[in-house]
Amino acid sequence: SQTIHQWPATLVQPVGSPLSLECTVEGTSNPNLYWYRQAAGRGLQLLFYSVGIGQISSEVPQNLSASRPQDRQFILSSKKLLLSDSGFYLCAWSRARGGGADEQFFGPGTRLTVL
Amino acid sequence: ELKVEQNPLFLSMQEGKNYTIYCNYSTTSDRLYWYRQDPGKSLESLFVLLSNGAVKQEGRLMASLDTKARLSTLHITAAVHDLSATYFCAVDQMYNTDKLIFGTGTRLQVFP
Repeated sequence: SQTIHQWPATLVQPVGSPLSLECTVEGTSNPNLYWYRQAAGRGLQLLFYSVGIGQISSEVPQNLSASRPQDRQFILSSKKLLLSDSGFYLCAWSRARGGGADEQFFGPGTRLTVL
Repeated sequence: ELKVEQNPLFLSMQEGKNYTIYCNYSTTSDRLYWYRQDPGKSLESLFVLLSNGAVKQEGRLMASLDTKARLSTLHITAAVHDLSATYFCAVDQMYNTDKLIFGTGTRLQVFP
């Protein structure tokens, strides 16, 4: 069966510090991978998605970036955090369907607080 | 671009009552997904609706899809406190991208 991991689970960082969140998937090959952010009490905002190694699509032009160095690894980064980067970061995976989006499965999330 | 709207945004209901959450979307789609999110937790997949007229049921929840009306419903029967959560629908844009478009979410609170 497939599992998805995220770490760290919680993070408190000062403004201006760098960020690296990691997501890994087990039990599947060539998944589509997604990063979402959820502000407190709000909906989901898609940040990045990837359909393959080194292929990143950006949805939100902010101070965040994503990379996919391996098939089942997705990393979210920032060089300098802003207060507005606080939130609940969710990684998700889906099977590559080709011509449409399949069901997405979510990781446990990382709660980031920027002070 | 595809837009997905849910209503109501917030629902407070008494145990034992029935209610329906609506998910409307703006362009053609043939797949719709329902998710549940408990406070402070991640999203959990509830239902996958793959065609017009699809109906799925689990426990006190039943989801349906009408692709012609661009509408999905999540019906709650005889609500219990354990159903308190936020429910999201998500729609596939068809042929366009590998993204799902999520609704705004409906926060459900069930009280005794």
